[in-house]
Amino acid sequence: TQLLEQSPQFLSIQEGENLTVYCNSSSVFSSLQWYRQEPGEGPVLLVTVVTGGEVKKLKRLTFQFGDARKDSSLHITAAQPGDTGLYLCAGGSGSRLTFGEGTQLTVNP
Amino acid sequence: NAGVTQTPKFRILKIGQSMTLQCTQDMNHNYMYWYRQDPGMGLKLIYYSVGAGITDKGEVPNGYNVSRSTTEDFPLRLELAAPSQTSVYFCASSYLAGAGEQYFGPGTRLTVT
Repeated sequence: TQLLEQSPQFLSIQEGENLTVYCNSSSVFSSLQWYRQEPGEGPVLLVTVVTGGEVKKLKRLTFQFGDARKDSSLHITAAQPGDTGLYLCAGGSGSRLTFGEGTQLTVNP
Repeated sequence: NAGVTQTPKFRILKIGQSMTLQCTQDMNHNYMYWYRQDPGMGLKLIYYSVGAGITDKGEVPNGYNVSRSTTEDFPLRLELAAPSQTSVYFCASSYLAGAGEQYFGPGTRLTVT
């Protein structure tokens, strides 16, 4: 069974601070996706990374896929209250995705 | 396009009752998935389908059944509901397997008492 561990599980910060969320596994994945989920809604894709060492930037969000394709990180610069939500990483293998447990981020004004 | 639609949005079941959660997508995606999400947790894969007529078990299939007679529809059947099945259920579809973006429905919140 492939497992993805996310840390931290909960994160509460002030507006303007930087933060990093980690997603780790002992398994190799063909791709790694990050989703954001708001209360009462389904997850929405933020980014997909497929190459070991790949770095992608989406405005204030920076995503990195580990060289061995077993881990990933999400860094947010100058967090804003609108960044509040549940961040989920998901590893792709075959036809399926394996999701991590999520990081609940709260950005206080 | 409506994307992925799920019905009902909320449901309360008594122990031992059965029900079907409906899922429809209008994006002509071959791949469809059912997940459950317990409070404050990630998503666990229940069943998935790679095309009409083809389904396979995920991580937590016990107590559930699925069918995929058309590309658009992927209903999830709960037989003999148990309190452990209290959860939020999400249906998703994707054009590509694995690395493909999954589009999620709004979810069905199910309570079994």
